[in-house]
Amino acid sequence: DAGVTQSPTHLIKTRGQHVTLRCSPISGHKSVSWYQQVLGQGPQFIFQYYEKEERGRGNFPDRFSARQFPNYSSELNVNALLLGDSALYLCASSPRGDRGLRSPLHFGNGTRLTVT
Amino acid sequence: AQSVTQPDIHITVSEGASLELRCNYSYGATPYLFWYVQSPGQGLQLLLKYFSGDTLVQGIKGFEAEFKRSQSSFNLRKPSVHWSDAAEYFCAVGRGRDDKIIFGKGTRLHILP
Repeated sequence: DAGVTQSPTHLIKTRGQHVTLRCSPISGHKSVSWYQQVLGQGPQFIFQYYEKEERGRGNFPDRFSARQFPNYSSELNVNALLLGDSALYLCASSPRGDRGLRSPLHFGNGTRLTVT
Repeated sequence: AQSVTQPDIHITVSEGASLELRCNYSYGATPYLFWYVQSPGQGLQLLLKYFSGDTLVQGIKGFEAEFKRSQSSFNLRKPSVHWSDAAEYFCAVGRGRDDKIIFGKGTRLHILP
């Protein structure tokens, strides 16, 4: 079975540009979450989407936005990139259902974003 | 506010030796607790989780963790490490209402041959 897939794997952008990161969840998983992992730190929660609705938001500026599509895939968008946005962006999926965090999160390998 | 503290940034152990990675959390209710492992260039893999019940939980790859409410701790243990265990280990806490998990800063495990 395919795991969580993210694209692209690596990306280099310039300050002020916009970026779109993509995530395909495991088949049957309806919840997608996004995390930012800065070098040397643990991942930080950005968003959760379940059934195409936002279910949670972390402490990130409005430059960060996301959406989930009818096939449950998701995009993370970041506008007006700053040097500090350089990080590994991780996507995680879970079946969610009514089990909340009892359904384990399955993480992709991430997109490495470098802002110059 | 919820938080997770992993006091050891780096730990080095010899192959075959026992391992304990420390984790303390701050949370106002019964937490959902996790340990994840991350190899270089990889995503996060769940080692084990605690929601309720038996405070000693078994995970994959021979790892176990013990939840101690009185100490707000959830330490990870392994009786005998293998060279392939070298990686970064993250302790995390969640509240269960959504998929928001708060991670510690991680402990990097080095294995001596």
